[in-house]
Formats: sequence, structure tokens, C-alpha cells
Amino acid sequence: RKEVEQDPGPFNVPEGATVAFNCTYSNSASQSFFWYRQDCRKEPKLLMSVYSSGNEDGRFTAQLNRASQYISLLIRDSKLSDSATYLCVIRTGFQKLVFGTGTRLLVSP
Amino acid sequence: DTGVSQDPRHKITKRGQNVTFRCDPISEHNRLYWYRQTLGQGPEFLTYFQNEAQLEKSRLLSDRFSAERPKGSFSTLEIQRTEQGDSAMYLCASSLAPGTVNTEAFFGQGTRLTVV
Repeated sequence: RKEVEQDPGPFNVPEGATVAFNCTYSNSASQSFFWYRQDCRKEPKLLMSVYSSGNEDGRFTAQLNRASQYISLLIRDSKLSDSATYLCVIRTGFQKLVFGTGTRLLVSP
Repeated sequence: DTGVSQDPRHKITKRGQNVTFRCDPISEHNRLYWYRQTLGQGPEFLTYFQNEAQLEKSRLLSDRFSAERPKGSFSTLEIQRTEQGDSAMYLCASSLAPGTVNTEAFFGQGTRLTVV
């Protein structure tokens, strides 16, 4: 089983829609969780960290479910500019960062 | 610019040649990571350093790959006897070590390697 798994998509949604992605992880000792955004042929950029209590940044909400070992990202009121690949990232203890394969989002007019 | 910088941005090389890439991390970051990414895939871990110590190297990495961070600042990644399968984007990232408040990793723009 992969350490981090994501649905590759693509998720095709119209502008204004709400869309949610999940990411599952296999190591229950994982401690740090992040969502990164990657545009085509660009480097990944940090979107938000994921805290145990959940956190929100504008239209974006991230949640962590330790019991079921997944994190989620919710995007409300999708914009065309949200079209990108969203990468789930975990760290277990003091170890390296492990990336999922990414979920591709396409927002259409 | 105080972000992570990588050099060169693009490299085209003939099969069998050696290539070396450089990464300059954010100055106060003690962790430095190297990843490789191919089209449609997430970044694949290669190796990482804390200060000058190489803490882990991917088991998928052949002996043709070597990385150094001699003074705990910049790092180099060398690929010897390149193969076409080495063609990819090589990404460098840096962060503070876990145990501090903000441990998010920040990426450079990458070096795109094409082996012909």
C-alpha cells in the first residue's frame, strides 16, 4: 500500500461549485500534514498546513481525521484560477516529506 | 530573492554524460530535500539533509546518484552516466527541522533534465 494515496481525477467542476478532495495515509504515526498546489510545469507551492482541529483560509478548508487516516481539502466558490493539481503531503515524526500523486482540478466557465 | 533557488533551470545532456545540479535553500532552513518528478506523478523522494548530514537516501536511487551538502548550506545533486530514464524535473526544497513551529517546505523552481 502506498504511504499516501489520492484520487488523480481530474475533477471537472463549474465556476462557483464546491469541491472536496480526500487523501489517505497508511502510517498512523504521521504527524504533519500539508496541502500543496502545483500548476502545470511549475514547482509545488504550499497551500495550507492541516491542523488537528481543522483550519480554514478563505475559500479553503482543510481537515484531518486521524481515526480514519485521511485529510481533506474543501474548496468553496471555485474560481477558474483554482485549476491546478493539489498534492497531499505527510511527514511521520522527524522523517522526510512524502507526497501523493496529486489530484487534478479543472474549473470551467 | 530569499526563496529556494536552483541552477540550472534546464539541462539537456547526451546519454552517458554526468550532470550536476545546485540548490541554494532559504538561509535559515536546516533541512534540504531533493525530489524527482515526472509528468502526471507527484514528487518522488530522492534524499534529504539536516545541516550537512545526509539522513536518508531513497532505496530506489541507484549508485549513479549522489548528493552533498558540505557546509550545511547549498547542496549539489550529481547524476553519473545519465540514462534516458533520468529525464525528469529535479526539485529541491528546504524547511526548518521538525520540532520547530513552522516546518513547511518551500520549493525551488526545479531543474528540468532531458537526456537525449
